Amino acid sequence: GDSVTQMEGPVTLSEEAFLTINCTYTATGYPSLFWYVQYPGEGLQLLLKATKADDKGSNKGFEATYRKETTSFHLEKGSVQVSDSAVYFCALDNNNDMRFGAGTRLTVKP
Amino acid sequence: SQTIHQWPATLVQPVGSPLSLECTVEGTSNPNLYWYRQAAGRGLQLLFYSVGIGQISSEVPQNLSASRPQDRQFILSSKKLLLSDSGFYLCAWSPGHGSYEQYFGPGTRLTVT
Repeated sequence: GDSVTQMEGPVTLSEEAFLTINCTYTATGYPSLFWYVQYPGEGLQLLLKATKADDKGSNKGFEATYRKETTSFHLEKGSVQVSDSAVYFCALDNNNDMRFGAGTRLTVKP
Repeated sequence: SQTIHQWPATLVQPVGSPLSLECTVEGTSNPNLYWYRQAAGRGLQLLFYSVGIGQISSEVPQNLSASRPQDRQFILSSKKLLLSDSGFYLCAWSPGHGSYEQYFGPGTRLTVT
């Protein structure tokens, strides 16, 4: 079945550092891809999405590009802030079958 | 705009007691609805989903059940809680009809003692 694999955390960075969280997927057909963010004690928030190959999703300085040739959707941000500390989930949806990665905890230190 | 509510926000229940968690969605009609459980430090486990009133699909066998008595209301229940039912319960909705990104509620923290 479809699945999502994302890099294990935790990831600890200093403020203004460059962030990459890797995500790869296995799926049949043409899934949509998502990144969600979960702040402590809260539900998940949709951060960005891409619905077809080569699409780039972006929001709040975060970006991810749907790479069908490498089945990847890596999350990047050029300069992280302390407020970006959260758990990040990569997900795919394939015809209303949503699969989530295990989540990557990011801690940004001042 | 659409909003999703969950209550209660936190709950402490003894083993063997019943459970009822409620989720409602505003600002949309005929959404797909989902219940997830998130154990501490873990990923998301899909428990139930519903594509319409009275239509419930279960993903994993367990002592939990779900019901959808109204279009925008989704209820998670148990007759007798187990210690292993502790976790963070998240309700989510999606528009359906080809648009399946999910939007999550604030969650309910359940502790079974």
